[in-house]
Amino acid sequence: DVKVTQSSRYLVKRTGEKVFLECVQDMDHENMFWYRQDPGLGLRLIYFSYDVKMKEKGDIPEGYSVSREKKERFSLILESASTNQTSMYLCASSRTLADTEAFFGQGTRLTVV
Amino acid sequence: GDSVTQMEGPVTLSEEAFLTINCTYTATGYPSLFWYVQYPGEGLQLLLKATKADDKGSNKGFEATYRKETTSFHLEKGSVQVSDSAVYFCALRGSYDKVIFGPGTSLSVIP
Repeated sequence: DVKVTQSSRYLVKRTGEKVFLECVQDMDHENMFWYRQDPGLGLRLIYFSYDVKMKEKGDIPEGYSVSREKKERFSLILESASTNQTSMYLCASSRTLADTEAFFGQGTRLTVV
Repeated sequence: GDSVTQMEGPVTLSEEAFLTINCTYTATGYPSLFWYVQYPGEGLQLLLKATKADDKGSNKGFEATYRKETTSFHLEKGSVQVSDSAVYFCALRGSYDKVIFGPGTSLSVIP
């Protein structure tokens, strides 16, 4: 069974902390994505990566960075967490072919206090 | 840029009612179109897809047809069940491999 695994289901962090959200996929997919999901706003793309060490900004990259040192792992970094980054974070992966779907992890509910 | 619009929810239906959730898109070229479903407490999972004009995707009694002339991909089901209660997202995959999602439509089915 194909799998995208996010390291935590729930996280509580303090304002100003550096936060790492980890995502691993076992499907040898080229593309990986980080989204945040907020009520009424749907899914918004933060960053995506189409190859190891490659990254592209999505629609809302401010306050975030990413790292992809290995093909199977894509990390989202909050350099200095703020309360407006409290959200559900979803990681996804896909093959490069445009007619293929993305596979999602279970999500990480991050609360910044 | 590419975008997806879908009907605002929440939608509440009685069991066995007919469901339509409207979705329209804006994209350059010929995107692939998807419907994803998110059950409570879970991540998104693919419900169905269509990759070219006039294709019909179907799964679990749900259907959607890729209409290029109206840039639409409406989701339908003839008889909903309580277990269909979830949030439904229309999405496209177009330029630069990005997957763009609509805002989601929450569906509640009552017995």
